[in-house]
Amino acid sequence: KAGVTQTPRYLIKTRGQQVTLSCSPISGHRSVSWYQQTPGQGLQFLFEYFSETQRNKGNFPGRFSGRQFSNSRSEMNVSTLELGDSALYLCASSTGQGRQETQYFGPGTRLLVL
Amino acid sequence: KQEVTQIPAALSVPEGENLVLNCSFTDSAIYNLQWFRQDPGKGLTSLLLIQSSQREQTSGRLNASLDKSSGRSTLYIAASQPGDSATYLCAAFQGGTSYGKLTFGQGTILTVHP
Repeated sequence: KAGVTQTPRYLIKTRGQQVTLSCSPISGHRSVSWYQQTPGQGLQFLFEYFSETQRNKGNFPGRFSGRQFSNSRSEMNVSTLELGDSALYLCASSTGQGRQETQYFGPGTRLLVL
Repeated sequence: KQEVTQIPAALSVPEGENLVLNCSFTDSAIYNLQWFRQDPGKGLTSLLLIQSSQREQTSGRLNASLDKSSGRSTLYIAASQPGDSATYLCAAFQGGTSYGKLTFGQGTILTVHP
């Protein structure tokens, strides 16, 4: 079974631009979660999608948004980029049901904002 | 609001030693507690998942325990090897309005030297 894939792996943007990151979950998984990892704040939850619906959202500004498609692939968008948005963005997939769900993470997209 | 703390922040040991990594969480209403490994610049690899009703879970040289009432989990690594060098993260998975969200600790950076 193929693992979680994320594209692109690396991105360099400038302040004020916007960016879209993509995540393809493991086949059969309907839940996709997004996390931001920085040296100062660690891993922080952005949002989780299940069957095209956002089920949960973290404490991030509205510049961070996401969506999920009918094939469970998910995209995350960040508008009006700031220097502080430089981070490793990780997505995780699971079946999204039950209490004993192992989360499978992708390799991440490293975003550098200049 | 769930908060997860990991001690120590960093640990350096000679090869062959047995070691313990500690994780504490403030809200005991968890579905499960998960341990991950992260190599530099990479995504997260799931190591162990302990259900809230379990006390222990084992995989090879790894053993994780959970004491939900005291809000603590430990990861025991037996006979450490240089290949075990990585950052180890614990994360709490909850239900209700937090379903689908993992709350992570800041991690323990482990170095095993030959």
